[in-house]
Amino acid sequence: QLQLQESGPGLVKPSETLSLTCTVSGGSISDTIYYWGWIRQPPGKGLEWIGSIYYSGSTYYNPSLKSRVTISVDTSKNQFSLKLSSVTAADTAVYYCARSDHLYNILTGYYPGAFDIWGQGTMVTVSS
Amino acid sequence: QSVLTQPPSASGTPGQRVTISCSGSRSNIGSNTVNWYQQLPGTAPKLLVYSNNQRPSGVPDRFSGSKSGTSASLAISGLQSEDEADYYCAAWDDSLNGVVFGGGTKLTVL
Repeated sequence: QLQLQESGPGLVKPSETLSLTCTVSGGSISDTIYYWGWIRQPPGKGLEWIGSIYYSGSTYYNPSLKSRVTISVDTSKNQFSLKLSSVTAADTAVYYCARSDHLYNILTGYYPGAFDIWGQGTMVTVSS
Repeated sequence: QSVLTQPPSASGTPGQRVTISCSGSRSNIGSNTVNWYQQLPGTAPKLLVYSNNQRPSGVPDRFSGSKSGTSASLAISGLQSEDEADYYCAAWDDSLNGVVFGGGTKLTVL
């Protein structure tokens, strides 16, 4: 069955760029009915959606992070990636990648729906 | 401050029925479907209910979701000790053009 696996450095220095990759196995990232997303969870706190991408490269970002976030997709490697720039201690969190279906409404068009498959998560600490 | 509002905690005894609420606005719950996630300690979240009241394959029918207006609820009947977890609601927000989560509810089975 489909599995997601996050990878990347566990420690990032303040002001630098956090880079993570999610590898999709057991299925194709080019499947037209899914979005691929990043969600994070600071220690002891709740879930925060970072953004989602469609295989074509179309993206949605959390407005509060939009100026610092880039999500990209590499269909040849069946991977999608997250870059978060100018990090601070507030970006310390467990970062999850997840798959979602897509829904439609007349205002937005297509948008990500429920996250039905999640990676195990990777802890990223921002510290000098 | 989360866009969707959940009570921080809930509790019940084995066999009881508990309900967790999720309050939003017209731009999120009022216009779009609600999803619920269960997060057991130290694990990734798991989809529990989608599209307001649909259960993925493998989720017991003890878990049920509902929506009315700008609020949604998750009900757990026949409470079991293994239900002790954090529960999150989520929905698309048309104004923010993004996914919004509730702050989470920690369920304790007494």
